[in-house]
Amino acid sequence: DVKVTQSSRYLVKRTGEKVFLECVQDMDHENMFWYRQDPGLGLRLIYFSYDVKMKEKGDIPEGYSVSREKKERFSLILESASTNQTSMYLCASSPGHTGVSTDTQYFGPGTRLTVL
Amino acid sequence: GQQVMQIPQYQHVQEGEDFTTYCNSSTTLSNIQWYKQRPGGHPVFLIQLVKSGEVKKQKRLTFQFGEAKKNSSLHITATQTTDVGTYFCAGGANAGNMLTFGGGTRLMVKP
Repeated sequence: DVKVTQSSRYLVKRTGEKVFLECVQDMDHENMFWYRQDPGLGLRLIYFSYDVKMKEKGDIPEGYSVSREKKERFSLILESASTNQTSMYLCASSPGHTGVSTDTQYFGPGTRLTVL
Repeated sequence: GQQVMQIPQYQHVQEGEDFTTYCNSSTTLSNIQWYKQRPGGHPVFLIQLVKSGEVKKQKRLTFQFGEAKKNSSLHITATQTTDVGTYFCAGGANAGNMLTFGGGTRLMVKP
């Protein structure tokens, strides 16, 4: 079974703090994704990575950055957290061998981030 | 960019009633995927449709992909309380590794 783990289930931070969300997958997947989930808005893609040290902006990259130094690990960074970044953050991975978007995505359990 | 709209946003049904959620894309898709997220859980892959007009069944769930590959539906026959959750469609573009998710339909089933 594919396993995608995230460093925290719940996180509370203060405005202006730097926040790191970590995601690890154990299936040697090429692609990794960060989404945020808000009521009524579904899943919105923040960033994705299709290879080590490679990254692409998604639909809502503003206020976020990412890092992929190793294939299995994809980090989401909030440089200066703000209250409008309070949300559920979901990491996902997919095999990536086909090169097109037919890959199934496997999600982690999510991190519920609250910024006070 | 590509947009995927999903309706309805919420649906309450009595156990045993049928349920349908609809997904529409602003562009032609290479494939459509459906995911289910149980309350408190994370999205889990259900199925993928690739061919124009394709219909697939999983027990009481029927998935359809439109002829123009721009819309899809998920129909649940005789809902059960175990069907509770949010159902997301996700459209794949003809290039790239991204999926665009719809807003989801939250299904609530009254026993």
